[in-house]
Amino acid sequence: QKEVEQDPGPLSVPEGAIVSLNCTYSNSAFQYFMWYRQYSRKGPELLMYTYSSGNKEDGRFTAQVDKSSKYISLFIRDSQPSDSATYLCASYSSASKIIFGSGTRLSIRP
Amino acid sequence: SAVISQKPSRDICQRGTSLTIQCQVDSQVTMMFWYRQQPGQSLTLIATANQGSEATYESGFVIDKFPISRPNLTFSTLTVSNMSPEDSSIYLCSLRGLTGELFFGEGSRLTVL
Repeated sequence: QKEVEQDPGPLSVPEGAIVSLNCTYSNSAFQYFMWYRQYSRKGPELLMYTYSSGNKEDGRFTAQVDKSSKYISLFIRDSQPSDSATYLCASYSSASKIIFGSGTRLSIRP
Repeated sequence: SAVISQKPSRDICQRGTSLTIQCQVDSQVTMMFWYRQQPGQSLTLIATANQGSEATYESGFVIDKFPISRPNLTFSTLTVSNMSPEDSSIYLCSLRGLTGELFFGEGSRLTVL
């Protein structure tokens, strides 16, 4: 079992829809959670960085962590074609290296 | 966050040759990290590069194949030696922010024929 699992997609939604991207992790010691956006032929760009459980909002993006179920989510409201990219989740603890999911390809249809 | 610049951004190489990737950061950092992203796969840490000491390699990666230099606090290089088509990947330079988050350069996309 991979330490961080992510549905590879591709996920295609119409413009304006709410997008839900999800990951699960297996290491209960993980405390830090990150979401990255990666456009084609570019490096990953950090979108959200959260600690422990709860929600964090930044503009149209909301990161949610449920440590009881080891489930992390990224919600994108009012999705735009410019949101089309691959989204990577990542988790780690203070004693571990950062573990990345394999990424979900998202396409927003105009 | 720091600006991380990588060169080359992409290259096409012949089997058996070596290529050196450069990473320049606009601020001084103690540790720099090199990752590999193979097509359709997750990011895999190759090694951690500390200034003034030997790089620390992850399981499955060896210095002879991926020699790393770290001559100062703003620069590092990763060499991919004796390349084969299996080395075709995106190679990424990265560093940790003040609160632990990881920032990446734009990546170097290598295609080995």
